[in-house]
Amino acid sequence: SQKIEQNSEALNIQEGKTATLTCNYTNYSPAYLQWYRQDPGRGPVFLLLIRENEKEKRKERLKVTFDTTLKQSLFHITASQPADSATYLCALDITGGGNKLTFGTGTQLKVEL
Amino acid sequence: DADVTQTPRNRITKTGKRIMLECSQTKGHDRMYWYRQDPGLGLRLIYYSFDVKDINKGEISDGYSVSRQAQAKFSLSLESAIPNQTALYFCATSLSSSPDEQYFGPGTRLTVT
Repeated sequence: SQKIEQNSEALNIQEGKTATLTCNYTNYSPAYLQWYRQDPGRGPVFLLLIRENEKEKRKERLKVTFDTTLKQSLFHITASQPADSATYLCALDITGGGNKLTFGTGTQLKVEL
Repeated sequence: DADVTQTPRNRITKTGKRIMLECSQTKGHDRMYWYRQDPGLGLRLIYYSFDVKDINKGEISDGYSVSRQAQAKFSLSLESAIPNQTALYFCATSLSSSPDEQYFGPGTRLTVT
């Protein structure tokens, strides 16, 4: 069955450092992968989408890579700030069309002063 | 005003009661989704609708039903609530083109006692 794995342990980093979060998947070849941010008690908010033919995508301090051979996406936040503290979810469409997403369980990021 | 709204935001109900969660959107999107979120399990898709006449079961539809009353409204019903349906419920929308980001509502926290 399709599996999406994100590190369940919280990632604690110091302000100003680069945070790197990992999303691994098995048994599927998604055409694209999405990353969302979720704050406690609130709905997820879309951050970035990367397609299978794109190696890397950037948006301000965010960078996403997508390695379809390794079946892995990395999500980077450079110059991290305490306001970046949240849970980050990756999601992919396992149906191959229709935007029916399967989400990972998320990794909690804590940025400390 | 929020683009995706959910009512109620919090609800406590007893086992066996029927309950309806409502979702409205002003984004003009064709596609709407219902998810539940449980600690450690992440977001799981309950039902989705790609237009008013299209309703599809998701990963965990047992014990739930939905109604797409209009393009802007998508309701989730628990016919006979049970304690393991205690969770955070999210509605989401997206455009009909795929891939596309999903826009989430603020969530409904449901407790079944």
